[in-house]
Amino acid sequence: EAGVAQSPRYKIIEKRQSVAFWCNPISGHATLYWYQQILGQGPKLLIQFQNNGVVDDSQLPKDRFSAERLKGVDSTLKIQPAKLEDSAVYLCASSSGTANTGELFFGEGSRLTVL
Amino acid sequence: GQNIDQPTEMTATEGAIVQINCTYQTSGFNGLFWYQQHAGEAPTFLSYNVLDGLEEKGRFSSFLSRSKGYSYLLLKELQMKDSASYLCAVRDENNDMRFGAGTRLTVKP
Repeated sequence: EAGVAQSPRYKIIEKRQSVAFWCNPISGHATLYWYQQILGQGPKLLIQFQNNGVVDDSQLPKDRFSAERLKGVDSTLKIQPAKLEDSAVYLCASSSGTANTGELFFGEGSRLTVL
Repeated sequence: GQNIDQPTEMTATEGAIVQINCTYQTSGFNGLFWYQQHAGEAPTFLSYNVLDGLEEKGRFSSFLSRSKGYSYLLLKELQMKDSASYLCAVRDENNDMRFGAGTRLTVKP
């Protein structure tokens, strides 16, 4: 079974530029999460999707971050304009919602450096 | 508010036992999870508790007390490859998985 796919793995941009990250969850997983992990910290939840609907985006900085999952499968996370403090690894995770534990399966992450 | 607290760093010796504690305050509770994260890699699932008590899985065990908002991860027969960050996470009433800052464990020979 293929895991969670993310791209790009690495991205370097200058502040005020824009960037987009893509995630394809495990096939059949209804729930998709985007996390921001700053070096030395735990993952911080940005947004949760259930199929193509947003369940929780309360911690998404909506003035600059946006995310969508239009067809309920893959998802994109966009930052525009980027700030220095956005330098982090952006992790996508999916969950089936039907497994006994409902644990999250993470992609390898997209590492963003803002100069 | 929501808080998940765990020690920042721990050090232990190869072959020993180490216990990593986690306390939490969240809006609703639908399970407590432990994940392992090696440097530069994504977190991987270790254990899950939803009822009080101890869950054992090989060298790793996890304990939960819901009334105390407390969990621990117990690692036995430590190996050098166990050096990693251990993340405590709670699934809340919205099915959100919220993580603590992680405990960086260093295993020394």
